[in-house]
Amino acid sequence: NAGVTQTPKFRVLKTGQSMTLLCAQDMNHEYMYWYRQDPGMGLRLIHYSVGEGTTAKGEVPDGYNVSRLKKQNFLLGLESAAPSQTSVYFCASSYTLLGQRNQPQHFGDGTRLSIL
Amino acid sequence: SQQGEEDPQALSIQEGENATMNCSYKTSINNLQWYRQNSGRGLVHLILIRSNEREKHSGRLRVTLDTSKKSSSLLITASRAADTASYFCATENSGAGSYQLTFGKGTKLSVIP
Repeated sequence: NAGVTQTPKFRVLKTGQSMTLLCAQDMNHEYMYWYRQDPGMGLRLIHYSVGEGTTAKGEVPDGYNVSRLKKQNFLLGLESAAPSQTSVYFCASSYTLLGQRNQPQHFGDGTRLSIL
Repeated sequence: SQQGEEDPQALSIQEGENATMNCSYKTSINNLQWYRQNSGRGLVHLILIRSNEREKHSGRLRVTLDTSKKSSSLLITASRAADTASYFCATENSGAGSYQLTFGKGTKLSVIP
């Protein structure tokens, strides 16, 4: 049981390049989330998904796109990377159904992304 | 926007001592959660306390919640070197369709052997 797996673990990009971060979970969780963590800022929500085929914006969605074609996968895309997107990106999932609150989130170990 | 704010930002104690971290938040909540993050790793869920609960225990952890003051505290008793990590509070805000967590900036705990 791997939990939440993020790939890649590290990546260096040049400004303007594009890339996709992959998150996979094997817990059959409905909800999935993408966060970024910057020094002194805590975690900020980028996008989230409440189920297969659905996505929604979080606190800092600009410059990112997401897709949830399969329940177990949640992809985060950067179409044209900018230095301000240098960060550590975390994916999380939770067993949260409509009407059922109070569920913890399970996190991957992050992707460290540097944009030059 | 940050909902939870932890205090202190950093805490250094000797092994065996107790560590107390505080969290304040601004809006009404469904629950408040505490997470631990070891260096270079993802967050790990520690404990969840619902808005109608006042205290909760899990092993060496004790969490209190005071909704009138919009604050929570995390107490780690008999600390160990392995407790060295950053600790974050996160709130699930009340409101229709609100299943998101809002995280604070964290308290960095160092336990000296």
